Amino acid sequence: GEKVEQHESTLSVREGDSAVINCTYTDTASSYFPWYKQEAGKSLHFVIDIRSNVDRKQSQRLIVLLDKKAKRFSLHITATQPEDSAIYFCAASPNNYAQGLTFGLGTRVSVFP
Amino acid sequence: ETAVFQTPNYHVTQVGNEVSFNCKQTLGHDTMYWYKQDSKKLLKIMFSYNNKQLIVNETVPRRFSPQSSDKAHLNLRIKSVEPEDSAVYLCASSTLGAQDTQYFGPGTRLLVL
Repeated sequence: GEKVEQHESTLSVREGDSAVINCTYTDTASSYFPWYKQEAGKSLHFVIDIRSNVDRKQSQRLIVLLDKKAKRFSLHITATQPEDSAIYFCAASPNNYAQGLTFGLGTRVSVFP
Repeated sequence: ETAVFQTPNYHVTQVGNEVSFNCKQTLGHDTMYWYKQDSKKLLKIMFSYNNKQLIVNETVPRRFSPQSSDKAHLNLRIKSVEPEDSAVYLCASSTLGAQDTQYFGPGTRLLVL
């Protein structure tokens, strides 16, 4: 089955700088890659996703890049703010009917002044 | 805006007891999921249900069983809890396709003494 590796377990960034989280996956059939944010004591909150028909997607300060050849995708948080501090999870889903998501282990992002 | 509801928020029980968790979504989605998040934040798919049919049943112990009365509800029953069942159980829903965003509920935290 699919395996997702999230390369950074923690990231500490200065407010205003960019944070980059990298993930790799193993299943070439995976075609959908969402990102979730989890704040302390809370559930998963969807932030952005990318599908395999594109290699870049931006939503305000968030940019997702997808490299299908390398089976790698990344989340770029630009102009970081204190409220960006949270655990971020990457995930992958094959193009199969109603399959669940395979998650990475999460990256704890801390934004300091 | 919460559209996936879970009860209870928190449950403490003893080894061997039976517990049941409820999940309801008001998004009109066709597919619902149960995930387990352990103490290290590892997230794993347990079940997914589509139109009252079990689509994915990962290798979870037999004491776990999903129960659905309609496409808006998916409950989780654990027949005889064990200490390793202590975790947060997250319910999610999505429309039909594997490339559709999954929205998560607030979670039910289970502590088995």
